[in-house]
Amino acid sequence: ETGVTQTPRHLVMGMTNKKSLKCEQHLGHNAMYWYKQSAKKPLELMFVYNFKEQTENNSVPSRFSPECPNSSHLFLHLHTLQPEDSALYLCASSQPGTGALAKNIQYFGAGTRLSVL
Amino acid sequence: SQQGEEDPQALSIQEGENATMNCSYKTSINNLQWYRQNSGRGLVHLILIRSNEREKHSGRLRVTLDTSKKSSSLLITASRAADTASYFCATARGGETSGSRLTFGEGTQLTVNP
Repeated sequence: ETGVTQTPRHLVMGMTNKKSLKCEQHLGHNAMYWYKQSAKKPLELMFVYNFKEQTENNSVPSRFSPECPNSSHLFLHLHTLQPEDSALYLCASSQPGTGALAKNIQYFGAGTRLSVL
Repeated sequence: SQQGEEDPQALSIQEGENATMNCSYKTSINNLQWYRQNSGRGLVHLILIRSNEREKHSGRLRVTLDTSKKSSSLLITASRAADTASYFCATARGGETSGSRLTFGEGTQLTVNP
């Protein structure tokens, strides 16, 4: 266990559905991330939150809507998805730091395997 | 933007052999990290090497970093079937506060045959 829990582990949804992915970390970290991992593609960073504030949105379509109510929880709300959105969605957390000594080691959840029909 | 690239894309070896994977990147970095991913699971951090370090060891893992060539290698010695996984390098940029992005490479799929 990495201390980062994602639910659900598997999700099948139609293009007109609305669903949410949940991520919870018990590591006391203040940075959280959403990544998308598609087959045969590099890991794609979607969103970054630092101290509950969104600090990066990597040109993600608006059908993906993140929410970070506190430093321990991160959600990804999904609506009107497309079949090409089918992928493994990974959440990660890290402890922010500054300067040359900062490590930014990220701890990942097991992911949610999403299939859009 | 910076992008890590691993080679080879796939590597198949016998148990007991050593496995070497390489990673190249394009911009200045604060540190470089290697992660492992078992099929369909999350990534697990293996080892970190800072930009002012040249070599680091952790158990059966040995990482080297050549900042002049912007490249790193991960060596797994005496491999085991349980080492079968995808391995990714990730770079943290220089000059930035942490809590920001890591840039991941495309990964090397390692298969260790019993």
